[in-house]
Amino acid sequence: AQSVAQPEDQVNVAEGNPLTVKCTYSVSGNPYLFWYVQYPNRGLQFLLKYITGDNLVKGSYGFEAEFNKSQTSFHLKKPSALVSDSALYFCAVRDQSWGKLQFGAGTQVVVTP
Amino acid sequence: EAQVTQNPRYLITVTGKKLTVTCSQNMNHEYMSWYRQDPGLGLRQIYYSMNVEVTDKGDVPEGYKVSRKEKRNFPLILESPSPNQTSLYFCASTRGGAGDEQYFGPGTRLTVT
Repeated sequence: AQSVAQPEDQVNVAEGNPLTVKCTYSVSGNPYLFWYVQYPNRGLQFLLKYITGDNLVKGSYGFEAEFNKSQTSFHLKKPSALVSDSALYFCAVRDQSWGKLQFGAGTQVVVTP
Repeated sequence: EAQVTQNPRYLITVTGKKLTVTCSQNMNHEYMSWYRQDPGLGLRQIYYSMNVEVTDKGDVPEGYKVSRKEKRNFPLILESPSPNQTSLYFCASTRGGAGDEQYFGPGTRLTVT
């Protein structure tokens, strides 16, 4: 069975500081990994994904994520956070045999001026 | 504009009164799914459809029905809503590959009294 853990309910960071949102996963085969963001009163928007190849994946709005197979992690990062990055972030995993897409519980990011 | 639309966006109803939430996508996507979002639980899949006339249960299908008579539409039906179905619902579509990202609708906030 697939599972995703986002260990932090909320991450607080000052504007201009680095932002990291953690995600670990469990899947039987090779994973497809995704990050989505949800702004207030909006649907989820795709940020980036890992399929294969380079472990460092770059996505929208300056975000990037690093796939670490040995630690089964896929942490989301941004070098310099903006107030507008305040939102709810979801990590998701699917195994490559077209299993179900499993979402984490979400991490609320609060960026203060 | 490529998009997933849902209607209604907000709905307050009473226990037992049948309702339908519509979902439509204009991207010719093969795969569509319904999720519910509850605080602390992330997104849980209700039903999904791999193609026209092909649907299957997700994690939490009890109390819900779906149909996929046309490629673009995937309505969610609650035959006899109950208060525990009060939630935020999202429809999503994917081009068809396991590594493809999902496109989400804006959400439907349902309250069952």
